[in-house]
Amino acid sequence: AQRVTQPEKLLSVFKGAPVELKCNYSYSGSPELFWYVQYSRQRLQLLLRHISRESIKGFTADLNKGETSFHLKKPFAQEEDSAMYYCALRLYGGSQGNLIFGKGTKLSVKP
Amino acid sequence: DTGVSQDPRHKITKRGQNVTFRCDPISEHNRLYWYRQTLGQGPEFLTYFQNEAQLEKSRLLSDRFSAERPKGSFSTLEIQRTEQGDSAMYLCASSFDSGLAGVSYEQYFGPGTRLTVT
Repeated sequence: AQRVTQPEKLLSVFKGAPVELKCNYSYSGSPELFWYVQYSRQRLQLLLRHISRESIKGFTADLNKGETSFHLKKPFAQEEDSAMYYCALRLYGGSQGNLIFGKGTKLSVKP
Repeated sequence: DTGVSQDPRHKITKRGQNVTFRCDPISEHNRLYWYRQTLGQGPEFLTYFQNEAQLEKSRLLSDRFSAERPKGSFSTLEIQRTEQGDSAMYLCASSFDSGLAGVSYEQYFGPGTRLTVT
């Protein structure tokens, strides 16, 4: 069965420090991987997806099929990055399109 | 268009009562998804619609749950005979699917309906 694992419930860093939020998935086929973010009192929104290969708000994520990982990284964390981050998987080209989410990691960036 | 909207935002009900939630997707979106999120968990897929057709239901969707999208626009999710375990945030998301193989589109989420069953 497909599964997304985010091993850290909480990650606390100081402003300006590098941050890496870990995500591992289990799926034998070709997955689509996403990072969603939820800021305080806001709705869940897409941060980035692996097929776009883009950097959003300084965040990047590389799909590593060998390690089945899609870790989210930012070299210098900002206080406004504090939020809940969810890694999600979708079966590539699957007709369903529904997302499988991890349990999420709460990122806290201290001043 | 202000995005996906859900109504009500909060619902408190007594065990055994029926509740109905509404989701209005982004107007041109043909796909609509329902997810459930409990404390400390990520959203879990419940069901989805392509236009008015309900194409998949998760095993999480017990017989007490029913969803409709009668005209391919808004959707309703009804829970009959609510139980305390139904307490959760119910999220709706919508996207546009062109039907082209290998092309995926972003799912836009609503603010959710928080259900508390007492």
